[in-house]
Amino acid sequence: SQTIHQWPATLVQPVGSPLSLECTVEGTSNPNLYWYRQAAGRGLQLLFYSVGIGQISSEVPQNLSASRPQDRQFILSSKKLLLSDSGFYLCAWSDGTASGNTIYFGEGSWLTVV
Amino acid sequence: AQSVAQPEDQVNVAEGNPLTVKCTYSVSGNPYLFWYVQYPNRGLQFLLKYITGDNLVKGSYGFEAEFNKSQTSFHLKKPSALVSDSALYFCAVRDAGSNYQLIWGAGTKLIIKP
Repeated sequence: SQTIHQWPATLVQPVGSPLSLECTVEGTSNPNLYWYRQAAGRGLQLLFYSVGIGQISSEVPQNLSASRPQDRQFILSSKKLLLSDSGFYLCAWSDGTASGNTIYFGEGSWLTVV
Repeated sequence: AQSVAQPEDQVNVAEGNPLTVKCTYSVSGNPYLFWYVQYPNRGLQFLLKYITGDNLVKGSYGFEAEFNKSQTSFHLKKPSALVSDSALYFCAVRDAGSNYQLIWGAGTKLIIKP
């Protein structure tokens, strides 16, 4: 069965510091990968998605970037964090070969920028 | 424009009573519809989806949803609510022409009172 791992679960970072959130998927190959942000415990905002190694699409221009160095690894980064980057970040995956496929989420990472 | 609406910010139901969480959508083409649940400080969990076929879809934890094309709705239902059903529920829709993105509702907080 497929599993998704996301870490760290929580982190507190000062303004201006770098960020790296990592996500890996097991049990599948060539998945679509996603980074979402959830602010104020409600709305989901798609930040990035990737359909293959090195292929990243950005949905919202911002202080963040994403990379996919391996087929099942997705990394969310920032060179200098802003206060507004605080939030709950969710990595997700879906089957890249099937239409109408379901998106499955990791457990999320709480980021507090202070 | 494509959109998903969850008209109720919060739904309160007594334990043992039936529950309904509403969702309406507007997309071009045939919609692929999804329901997810999110417990506090956790990632989203997939409940059920409608792709095609029977308008009544059964999912996890005793939930079901009814697809109504004429009313462009996909309401989530459960015959008898449990306190443990208290959570945040998200409706989402994917345009049949897209393999990557979901359009998300704002979420409905479901509170089940003992």
